[in-house]
This record gives sequence, structure tokens and C-alpha cells, in this order.
Amino acid sequence: EVQLVQSGAEVKKPGESLRISCKGSGYSFTSYWISWVRQMPGKGLEWMGRIDPSDSYTNYSPSFQGHVTISADKSISTAYLQWSSLKASDTAMYYCARLDCGGDCYVRVVVDYWGQGTLVTVSS
Amino acid sequence: DIQMTQSPSSLSASVGDRVTITCQASQDISNYLNWYQQKPGKAPKLLIYDASNLETGVPSRFSGSGSGTDFTFTISSLQPEDIATYYCQQYDNLPAITFGQGTRLEIK
Repeated sequence: EVQLVQSGAEVKKPGESLRISCKGSGYSFTSYWISWVRQMPGKGLEWMGRIDPSDSYTNYSPSFQGHVTISADKSISTAYLQWSSLKASDTAMYYCARLDCGGDCYVRVVVDYWGQGTLVTVSS
Repeated sequence: DIQMTQSPSSLSASVGDRVTITCQASQDISNYLNWYQQKPGKAPKLLIYDASNLETGVPSRFSGSGSGTDFTFTISSLQPEDIATYYCQQYDNLPAITFGQGTRLEIK
């Protein structure tokens, strides 16, 4: 069974750093890209970026480039999303998700499995 | 950037009703469109991929159609467990993907 299990909820202060995780199991972790998706309170879904765990190559949404870093450790089948300096506006639920590309993630992308979400609250 | 416009933004229907949600792309995206269901407090779930293909295990009352700029998602007979927010998502402009703003479905 494919599973993406994310780390638990976090409460942080503005300016603090944070790294949240997403551990994949039940499939070959290096065969599927992982994306991160933000959902602010009461709002819709926003694509943040993605990583190919086989070589850690990343693509970012222009809206998030420079503010977050996506990484992966294939030895433990885990992807990460990190911030060096959080803002109150980073308060949101963050989902990791597996991308089924049918071979080429520059041609086709279906988000076929999702993690359970990690709630990040940033407040002074 | 490709914009995805879903309508309506919210919808109230009765059990057994046929429900239709539309998604319009700002440019031709062929059939590069997927549909997701998000129940309250849960992660989204894939229902339809490549505009019209039903994901394995998804009930057949769900269906999708369309190509180019206009797409439709249909529930043929609404069930109480279908209460959720539904999102379309395009992948014509990779690596970026874009979601519609969502349609909240409620039971009347």
C-alpha cells in the first residue's frame, strides 16, 4: 500500500526556521517525483514545487522560489520542506503528494497519492 | 500562467440529484486536466485523470469530460458521502500545475 506519512503539527514564531517531512512507503521512492502543496486556512490548493528523489532535482513555483527549500533523502525515502525564516503568512496546511507522470514529468502529471498534511502555525 | 476558473464556487443539491461542475482554462490545455475531491479535514483524493478517466476504486457515479478549454465534472446521483470540495487541476504548463479555486458541494 502506497503511503505518504508527514510529520506532526508545528507552532513557531516569526523568524524561526522549520523543516517538515514526508516519508514514502509501499513503492519505489526514487521512481516518483514528490510535490508540496499549500492550503491556507479556508482557501484552495497551491502548488509550491517538486523534487525528483532519484537525483534531488527540483522545480519551484515562482510564488515560492527563494522562500522555501525542497529536499529529499532517498536513503530513508523522505522528502522535506523547509523555511529559514517563517512569517505569519506561512500559517497553513502543507501536503506532500506523489506525482504519477507515466514516464516523463515534463509531459504529464497526475497527483495520485497525498500525505495527511502538516499544519504549520506561525504566531508571535 | 494558465488560469483555471471553476463554477459554481458553491453548490447545494439533494441526495439523488445530478450535479455538474465546470472548469474553464484560460487557454487550450488539450485533455491535461484532473479532478480531486477534498472532504473536510482530509487530504485531497484523485477522482478523474486526463479529463475523463476514472481512477481505480472511484465509484462510477463520478465522471469527467471535455477538452481544450472547457471541462465538466459530473456526479450522476449525489450521495451523502459526496459532501466535499472539488478541484480541477491542469498540467499543460509543466513543471507548474494549477488548481481551480474549488467548488464546495453541500446537501440541501
